[in-house]
Amino acid sequence: AQSVTQLGSHVSVSEGALVLLRCNYSSSVPPYLFWYVQYPNQGLQLLLKYTSAATLVKGINGFEAEFKKSETSFHLTKPSAHMSDAAEYFCAVTSPQKLVFGQGTRLTINP
Amino acid sequence: DGGITQSPKYLFRKEGQNVTLSCEQNLNHDAMYWYRQDPGQGLRLIYYSQIVNDFQKGDIAEGYSVSREKKESFPLTVTSAQKNPTAFYLCASTMGDGLGLTGELFFGEGSRLTVL
Repeated sequence: AQSVTQLGSHVSVSEGALVLLRCNYSSSVPPYLFWYVQYPNQGLQLLLKYTSAATLVKGINGFEAEFKKSETSFHLTKPSAHMSDAAEYFCAVTSPQKLVFGQGTRLTINP
Repeated sequence: DGGITQSPKYLFRKEGQNVTLSCEQNLNHDAMYWYRQDPGQGLRLIYYSQIVNDFQKGDIAEGYSVSREKKESFPLTVTSAQKNPTAFYLCASTMGDGLGLTGELFFGEGSRLTVL
């Protein structure tokens, strides 16, 4: 069965610093991978998705992720953190007829 | 504006009572989903429906029930059999019947259920 593992339940960075949120996947077939963001007491919003086209995927709000098959990874990055990036981030992989989500990583931005 | 509407946003329930959470979408999506969110556990799938009058159990269906009588509506009932119902519940939908799921899941803003 397809699954994702997010390394680190909580990441804290300074404003202006690099953001790196880690996601490793397990899939027996070429996966479709997603990153979603959730602000407090709200639903999830799609940041970006990988669907076997370019391995470097650009998303909204300056985020991007790189699909690395050799490492089974799909890490999310942003060159310079902004206070508004504080939220919870979820990696997800397609499994037949549904999405399987990771445990989530809470991102805190320090002024 | 198109979107998914969940109600109520906050709900309190006494032990032993059933409660129904509403989910309505005007996106003309065929597939709809219910997820449960608990701190540190991500989102877990409760039920999903790919077409009207048909639905399938997800990973944690015990103690829950759903119906899909209309394309735009997918209500979730949390029954008294659910042992730990306090959680944040999210409804989502996607285009097509969800098979392969190369598209995007659109989420509602969630319903927070607290059992007193």
